[in-house]
Amino acid sequence: GENVEQHPSTLSVQEGDSAVIKCTYSDSASNYFPWYKQELGKRPQLIIDIRSNVGEKKDQRIAVTLNKTAKHFSLHITETQPEDSAVYFCAASPGSFGNEKLTFGTGTRLTIIP
Amino acid sequence: GAVVSQHPSWVICKSGTSVKIECRSLDFQATTMFWYRQFPKQSLMLMATSNEGSKATYEQGVEKDKFLINHASLTLSTLTVTSAHPEDSSFYICSARGVGVTRATNTEAFFGQGTRLTVV
Repeated sequence: GENVEQHPSTLSVQEGDSAVIKCTYSDSASNYFPWYKQELGKRPQLIIDIRSNVGEKKDQRIAVTLNKTAKHFSLHITETQPEDSAVYFCAASPGSFGNEKLTFGTGTRLTIIP
Repeated sequence: GAVVSQHPSWVICKSGTSVKIECRSLDFQATTMFWYRQFPKQSLMLMATSNEGSKATYEQGVEKDKFLINHASLTLSTLTVTSAHPEDSSFYICSARGVGVTRATNTEAFFGQGTRLTVV
């Protein structure tokens, strides 16, 4: 089955600086890669996703890059703000039919230092 | 966007009793429901996947007779923790994918609020 590794497990960044979280996956059949943000005690919220036919996607301060050959993808947050503090999870899934399961990474606790 | 409503948000039960957790998709048809378990400061571990009208597919190591999943309609799935024990205490969260309202409900997974179960 799919195995998703995520690094680092914790990350502290000065407000205004950039944060980068990296994930690797094992199953070459995976072609959908979402990123979720989870605040304490709350549900994960999708913040950005990318499919395998795209190498990079950007949404305001958030961007995701994908290298299918190397089987890794990364989340980039620029101009970080205190409200970016949360746990971030990457995930991978094969197919786009909706019933394929998501395999999650172990999470990164991001702390933005004011 | 699509909304998944999960209830209860928290529950305390006595050891040996059963607890039912409900997940409802409010504005789309949840053709697939995923049930996860999350321990403190850990990732979401998939317990089972259910497609509407079919039996759930359980992940390795998850007891299907202990964690009963029902997905009888396109808007409701339930997880029943039977004969709960203290080690079952955890955060349980559902996630739905399906068809309907929004742009990408067939791939994007929408999460419920989660249920914090404490077994005493």
